[in-house]
This record gives sequence, structure tokens and C-alpha cells, in this order.
Amino acid sequence: GQNIDQPTEMTATEGAIVQINCTYQTSGFNGLFWYQQHAGEAPTFLSYNVLDGLEEKGRFSSFLSRSKGYSYLLLKELQMKDSASYLCAVSIYNQGGKLIFGQGTELSVKP
Amino acid sequence: EPEVTQTPSHQVTQMGQEVILRCVPISNHLYFYWYRQILGQKVEFLVSFYNNEISEKSEIFDDQFSVERPDGSNFTLKIRSTKLEDSAMYFCASSEGPTDIPRKAFFGQGTRLTVV
Repeated sequence: GQNIDQPTEMTATEGAIVQINCTYQTSGFNGLFWYQQHAGEAPTFLSYNVLDGLEEKGRFSSFLSRSKGYSYLLLKELQMKDSASYLCAVSIYNQGGKLIFGQGTELSVKP
Repeated sequence: EPEVTQTPSHQVTQMGQEVILRCVPISNHLYFYWYRQILGQKVEFLVSFYNNEISEKSEIFDDQFSVERPDGSNFTLKIRSTKLEDSAMYFCASSEGPTDIPRKAFFGQGTRLTVV
């Protein structure tokens, strides 16, 4: 079966760095995506990885190790507005672009 | 910036009634999707659509569900006879053409469906 695990919630301090981990067991892996979702709103695309390594986009970076079935999202210089749910999602090869989502990690940024 | 738009933002319907949720994907995108999110749960894939046909669907997407692209801009999800458990936020998403691998999906703001 397909399984994606991430911590349910995390707390961090404004200005700090936080790392949100995601592990997956899927067949036909075709890429891993990170989305941000504020309560009651749509998921917003943040980053994706297809190959192993680190992808950096401003304050956000995402890392992938396919052999370990592991990814993380790194958020630097945390701001209060970064308080949201962070969704890890896996794209499966040859399944019409389908994304399988994890439960999401609720991040609270405190002053 | 181009965005996916969905209407209505909220829909309340009685059990057994038909509902149609509407979406306008990003104009140059060719792949369209519906996802749902029951309150407090994860986002779940329903269906993907390309070249005027379903390319993949989940177990949730049974005979009560259908999708249609009635014209060059709209993409709809119909639920024929709603059940209480259909209450959820429904997200439409779209992604670019065949060379966009893996497909980066951009989501609309969602329609909150409440079945009473």
C-alpha cells in the first residue's frame, strides 16, 4: 500500500529554523511535493523534489533521499505568518498526476 | 498570477440531492483534478482528467460521482445523490502539459459542501 508519515504538530519560535520530516512507502515514486495550507484555505505549492538532494527556494528548502524514503522541508527565519499546516505529497508514476497526501504537520510559530 | 477559481465557495444541500461543483482551471493547463478534504483529515485524491477523459480515479470516486468539461474553460464535479459523508471541502486543481513531470498541481480555494 501507499503510506506517508509526518509529525502531527510542531512548535517553533519566530526567527528560528524548523525542519519538518516526511517518510513514505510507495510504489512507482515519481516525485515529492510540499504544500502549505492555512486553515480553511487551499494547499499552496511550495517545493518539489524528483532527484536526491536539496532544493532551495528563498526561506524554504526541501530535501529528498529516495533510497531512505525520506524528505524534509526546512523553513528559515520563521515568521508568524508561517503558522500553517505543511503537507507532504507523493506523485505516483503513470497514475494521471495523482498526489497522495500525508496527514499534514501543523506548525505553530510563537513570538 | 493565474489561479484556479471555484464556485460556489459554500454549498449546503439536503441528503439525496444532486450538486454540481464548478471550477475554472488555469487557462493553459491541460490536466485537471478533484480532491476532497473531510474536516480534520488529509487531502484525498478523487479523479484526474486529461484530453476529455478520466485518466485516474480513486475508490472514493464511485458511480455517484462524475466529471465533465462542458466547454473550453469549465471543469465540473457532479455528485448525483449526496450522502452525509460527502460533507467536505472539495478542491479543484490543474497542472500543465505532458512535459511537466511530475505534474505540479495548483489548487483552487475550494468549495465547502455541507450535506444535511
